[in-house]
Amino acid sequence: DTAVSQTPKYLVTQMGNDKSIKCEQNLGHDTMYWYKQDSKKFLKIMFSYNNKELIINETVPNRFSPKSPDKAHLNLHINSLELGDSAVYFCASSYRGKLFFGSGTQLSVL
Amino acid sequence: GESVGLHLPTLSVQEGDNSIINCAYSNSASDYFIWYKQESGKGPQFIIDIRSNMDKRQGQRVTVLLNKTVKHLSLQIAATQPGDSAVYFCAENSGAGSYQLTFGKGTKLSVIP
Repeated sequence: DTAVSQTPKYLVTQMGNDKSIKCEQNLGHDTMYWYKQDSKKFLKIMFSYNNKELIINETVPNRFSPKSPDKAHLNLHINSLELGDSAVYFCASSYRGKLFFGSGTQLSVL
Repeated sequence: GESVGLHLPTLSVQEGDNSIINCAYSNSASDYFIWYKQESGKGPQFIIDIRSNMDKRQGQRVTVLLNKTVKHLSLQIAATQPGDSAVYFCAENSGAGSYQLTFGKGTKLSVIP
């Protein structure tokens, strides 16, 4: 049973396209996140939702739009993809400050 | 801004030896710290955590030490095994009801058989 699952695992697309990454957690946690990991492995928070409400929105281009239809899901939609968006994107949920991560989506923009 | 950093970006150890991974943090308000392990192609996994009212916590083969005076965190892995090869991150929570973890840059641990 995967606690935090995200799809797809790999995403290869052309510049200018729009793509979405889906995330679901079955842990019953109220808070979910999107993190971006660059080529140097640095992890940076992008968004956080608590019970479907946005609570953290770091300096992220507005081409990135998170959507939380319910507290178990937090999807990430990216418009007009750019080369610099290439990275690994991790979804996570948290309980008492401890993060539980998905296995990541490797996005490659060509 | 405040940040979490690591002294060593890479660390190679012989199998069976002990490993020590260090982390310096700068936010004195941080009250909760976590070490994560990230294997290739996977998401970070929780290893061990420690709250600021403690200076040491032990798990199975791992020990976390917290020195608030010098704002230093370390992860000790006893009898390092090939399966310990991964990137290790320290993360801090700045407290005040916040559940936003700030991650350090990561240290790659390579275990030599």
